[in-house]
Order: sequence, then C-alpha cells, then structure tokens
Amino acid sequence: AQSVTQLDSQVPVFEEAPVELRCNYSSSVSVYLFWYVQYPNQGLQLLLKYLSGSTLVKGINGFEAEFNKSQTSFHLRKPSVHISDTAEYFCAVSDSGGGADGLTFGKGTHLIIQP
Amino acid sequence: ETGVTQTPRHLVMGMTNKKSLKCEQHLGHNAMYWYKQSAKKPLELMFVYSLEERVENNSVPSRFSPECPNSSHLFLHLHTLQPEDSALYLCASSQRLGLEQFFGPGTRLTVL
Repeated sequence: AQSVTQLDSQVPVFEEAPVELRCNYSSSVSVYLFWYVQYPNQGLQLLLKYLSGSTLVKGINGFEAEFNKSQTSFHLRKPSVHISDTAEYFCAVSDSGGGADGLTFGKGTHLIIQP
Repeated sequence: ETGVTQTPRHLVMGMTNKKSLKCEQHLGHNAMYWYKQSAKKPLELMFVYSLEERVENNSVPSRFSPECPNSSHLFLHLHTLQPEDSALYLCASSQRLGLEQFFGPGTRLTVL
C-alpha cells in the first residue's frame, strides 16, 4: 500500500510570486506520481504526471514538479502564480504495476492567491 | 460528449429513498472508479472496476451498491442512506489500473 503526505493544508501566496506545494509519499513498490487541481464545485483535473524518465515533469498552466526518489518527494512548483490558480491541489501515487488500490491521494493543499 | 460525465450533478434525498448515480466515460478506458469526497476528509476510494470486474471494495457500507454493465458505464445505487453520507461523489476512469485517472464533475449528494 502507498501513502501520501501533503504537510501544508493551506498556502497563501501573493500574485506573481513563486510557489511550491510539498508532497511526500511512502511505498514499498515502484510508483507513478500525479498532481491534480480541483476548482470549486468541479471534479479533479490532471496537472501533470511522472511515470518514468526525466525527473522534472512539466504540466499544464505553467506548473512543474520534480521527482526525488531518495527523498520520496514530488513537490509542485510554479514560478509566478495568478489569481486563477486559487484552488485545491492534490498529490497522488499509484502502484506502477497496476495494483487494485487505484490512486492514493493526499489530503490536499488549498492554494490562496492574494492580490 | 467527451471525457467523463456524471448525472445528476445535484441530488437531495431522504433516508428512505432509493436513487442511482450514473457515470459514463467516452475515453475507451478499461478501469472505472467511485470516490467519496467529504469536507475536511481526504478522497476515499469506494469501488474499482477493471474490465467490468470489481477488483476493490474498501469496506463500503452495503447501502452503496455499484454496478458496471459495460466498460463505459458505472452506476452507484443508493438506498437507506444516512446524513453522514452527504458528500461529493466522483467517478473516474483510466486506461488501466495504476495510470492517471480522468474525473467527472461529481454528484453533490445531500441526505436529509
């Protein structure tokens, strides 16, 4: 089984400032990693994913994340945020071998962009 | 239509009612999922279907009953629910188990 820890439940940031949302995971098997965004009253939208290859992955809306196997981390970054980035962000992990657990999600980080 | 659709988007029901949530995916995926999202709780995986076979049931109360008649459709049948079952119910699909999942917009359920 896997687990995901998102230590920050809420991150306030000023508009146009950089942001990093932290994610750490635990797993006894090889994993895939994902970041999702959820806007109010909507489902989850995939921001980016790490399956294999380059540890720096780029996603939509200017977000990127870096997989660090030794630190079991997959932090999400954006160099300059906009008001429209205000949302809930979820980190998720899955068994790359296709286990029946599906995705295991963290508790989410609420990103608040201040003008 | 494209992606994953869910109906209804909003549902209010009494504790003695029977209702069903519907999910349809237009992505040609082989796995489908039901999640429950409550306020201040992490996403809870309820059911997993792969190639129309149920592969996971995370100790969900029997008042929730899933049905997967084919690879494109997933239902969640509800009966004698409790107020604590009020939540956003999300459906998702993926090409296979373990890969990225695509989510529908959810059904906001309120149990009175």
